[in-house]
Amino acid sequence: DTEVTQTPKHLVMGMTNKKSLKCEQHMGHRAMYWYKQKAKKPPELMFVYSYEKLSINESVPSRFSPECPNSSLLNLHLHALQPEDSALYLCASSQTLAGGIVDTQYFGPGTRLTVL
Amino acid sequence: AQTVTQSQPEMSVQEAETVTLSCTYDTSESDYYLFWYKQPPSRQMILVIRQEAYKQQNATENRFSVNFQKAAKSFSLKISDSQLGDAAMYFCAYRSAREYGNKLVFGAGTILRVKS
Repeated sequence: DTEVTQTPKHLVMGMTNKKSLKCEQHMGHRAMYWYKQKAKKPPELMFVYSYEKLSINESVPSRFSPECPNSSLLNLHLHALQPEDSALYLCASSQTLAGGIVDTQYFGPGTRLTVL
Repeated sequence: AQTVTQSQPEMSVQEAETVTLSCTYDTSESDYYLFWYKQPPSRQMILVIRQEAYKQQNATENRFSVNFQKAAKSFSLKISDSQLGDAAMYFCAYRSAREYGNKLVFGAGTILRVKS
């Protein structure tokens, strides 16, 4: 059973819609991540939060807006997306960003996003 | 910058047999971590096994073991007694112990098919 949960499992949206993806973890982790994954490709890092503050933005377009309301929750707000943004969006968490072996990343099941 | 290479896009194995997935990496660092993640068609990335570079002993987790050759920068995954549930995309990943951000560098992945 995953300890990182993501909702919704699937999302279909038009290019003018606004939607949000949600990620939750109950492992007491203080670092959380958003990844984008295209079919049969490795995940690509988008954002990293540490202690609820944005630490890394991998030059992601502003139509993706992350938010970390508390240490257990991570949201990704979507607005004016393009069809090429259709992908699997994965959330992950780790104990911290300190970089030790305990900071292994654990992934959620993902949200399959389709932009029409 | 570090790179990870998985030279086998696809592999097949007969149920109950053993298969080895290859992974090589390039780094100038001496302190790092290596991971194998499994992603079944159900999408969730699951940690299979991890290795600390300073440990010479190869990591094992039940039927999964690694052959870590630090000098050769090789980190192969051996799956013994293969089961139908092992069918998945396998990603090898590198993480620096020094660089900020806890970033994973993924290989391109290997699709493993298990034949009954």
